[in-house]
Amino acid sequence: SQTIHQWPATLVQPVGSPLSLECTVEGTSNPNLYWYRQAAGRGLQLLFYSVGIGQISSEVPQNLSASRPQDRQFILSSKKLLLSDSGFYLCAWSRTGWTEAFFGQGTRLTVV
Amino acid sequence: SQKIEQNSEALNIQEGKTATLTCNYTNYSPAYLQWYRQDPGRGPVFLLLIRENEKEKRKERLKVTFDTTLKQSLFHITASQPADSATYLCALPKVAGGGADGLTFGKGTHLIIQP
Repeated sequence: SQTIHQWPATLVQPVGSPLSLECTVEGTSNPNLYWYRQAAGRGLQLLFYSVGIGQISSEVPQNLSASRPQDRQFILSSKKLLLSDSGFYLCAWSRTGWTEAFFGQGTRLTVV
Repeated sequence: SQKIEQNSEALNIQEGKTATLTCNYTNYSPAYLQWYRQDPGRGPVFLLLIRENEKEKRKERLKVTFDTTLKQSLFHITASQPADSATYLCALPKVAGGGADGLTFGKGTHLIIQP
C-alpha cells in the first residue's frame, strides 16, 4: 500500500533562519506531488506542485522554493524565514489529476 | 479566479440526526468536486469525489450531491455520531477540466455532533 511520510511534525525556527521540510512517498511511482500551507483561520493554499523529477510549478510568489530530486521525494525550502511563513505545511500526492489527494501528517512551523 | 464558499461557522447537530454541509463555488465549471475530512493537527483525509455528470454519490453514511446549475454541492452525513465531529473541506480542481495542477480548497465547516 502507499504511504506518505512528512517530517518533522513540529518546528520552531527564528526569523532569518533556513528551512528544509522533506516528504517521501512509498508504494507508488511517478506520483504528482504537492505542498500546501494552512494558515490560522485560512483554507489550504497550494504552494508548489510537481509532475516529475526536477519539474516544479509555483503557485504563489513567496519566500519559499521546492525541489524534487527523486521520483518520490519532495522538499520545501527557504533561505531566510519570515514571520509570515508560520503555518501548517502539508505534503500530498495523487496518481493523476483526476483522483484524490493523499496528505501527510503535516509540519507545524512557528517562526519566532 | 475560482472562489469556494463553505459555511465557516460551526455546525452543531444532535447525534443520530443528518448533518448537511454546503459548498458553493463561482467563476468556473469544474469537472469534479471532492470532499475531505480534517481532524485537529492532522492532514485532510479524502472522503468522496463526484464528477460533473453525476448528480449524487454515496458511501456508507455519506452522500454528496453536485448541482452544476446552482454551482453547489451538498454533503450529508446520516445517523451522525460524535466521532463524525471534524472539519469538512470542499475541494475543486484548480483547472476546470482537472489536471495535475492541484486543488483549491474551501475554508471548511467545523461539524460538532453532540451526544
